[in-house]
Amino acid sequence: EAGVAQSPRYKIIEKRQSVAFWCNPISGHATLYWYQQILGQGPKLLIQFQNNGVVDDSQLPKDRFSAERLKGVDSTLKIQPAKLEDSAVYLCASSLGFWYNEQFFGPGTRLTVL
Amino acid sequence: KQEVTQIPAALSVPEGENLVLNCSFTDSAIYNLQWFRQDPGKGLTSLLLIQSSQREQTSGRLNASLDKSSGRSTLYIAASQPGDSATYLCAVMGVVEYALNFGKGTSLLVTP
Repeated sequence: EAGVAQSPRYKIIEKRQSVAFWCNPISGHATLYWYQQILGQGPKLLIQFQNNGVVDDSQLPKDRFSAERLKGVDSTLKIQPAKLEDSAVYLCASSLGFWYNEQFFGPGTRLTVL
Repeated sequence: KQEVTQIPAALSVPEGENLVLNCSFTDSAIYNLQWFRQDPGKGLTSLLLIQSSQREQTSGRLNASLDKSSGRSTLYIAASQPGDSATYLCAVMGVVEYALNFGKGTSLLVTP
C-alpha cells in the first residue's frame, strides 16, 4: 500500500515570496490534515479536511495561508507572502476518518524562508 | 486547551536496556492516544494507537499503556537497539478539539 506522498521535499524562498506544497493521501482515506512542525516542537494542526470540506482551520493564519482539497483526494497548501517565521516542516497526514482512526504521515516538506 | 507533556526531553541508554518514555495530558476527555517515531529529517511513523476504552497496546518490543483518568501514558521499549534511536512523540485526540495535540517529544539515543 502506497503511503502519503508530498512534494517538494525541500524549498528555499525569500521572504514575501509565495510557495505551494502538494499532498496525495493514502487511497481511500477521507480525512486529510496539514501540520506545521517548527524545529524542536511537536507538529501543530493547520487545517483538516473531511473529503473536500474543511472540518477545522482555526489555527490556519488565513491572511497568508490557504489550502484546498479539490475532488476530495489530493491537496495543496499555499503561503503568500511568506515570513521568516514560516520556516518549518510542513507535514501532510491522512486517515480513514477522524476521532478513532490512526493518522499516517508523509515525509514532509522542509521550508526555509530567507 | 489540551496540553501534552513528555518526560524526559532526552534520554541516552546503552544497547539492551529496557526503557520507559512518559507522556501526560491535561484533559482526560480523549478519543485516543497515538505514539509516533520521527527520524531526523523524516516524517512521523505511527507506532501504536490506543483507543480511550483500551488500557494498552503491544507491537513487537513496544508496549504502550493508557491511564485516561490520571492523564498518563507510557511507552515501554524492551531490549533497546541502536536502530531505536529517534524522537518519540505522543499525541492525543481530544473530544472537544478534533485534532491531534502533540508533545514536544523525547529524543532517544541507544549506544552500542
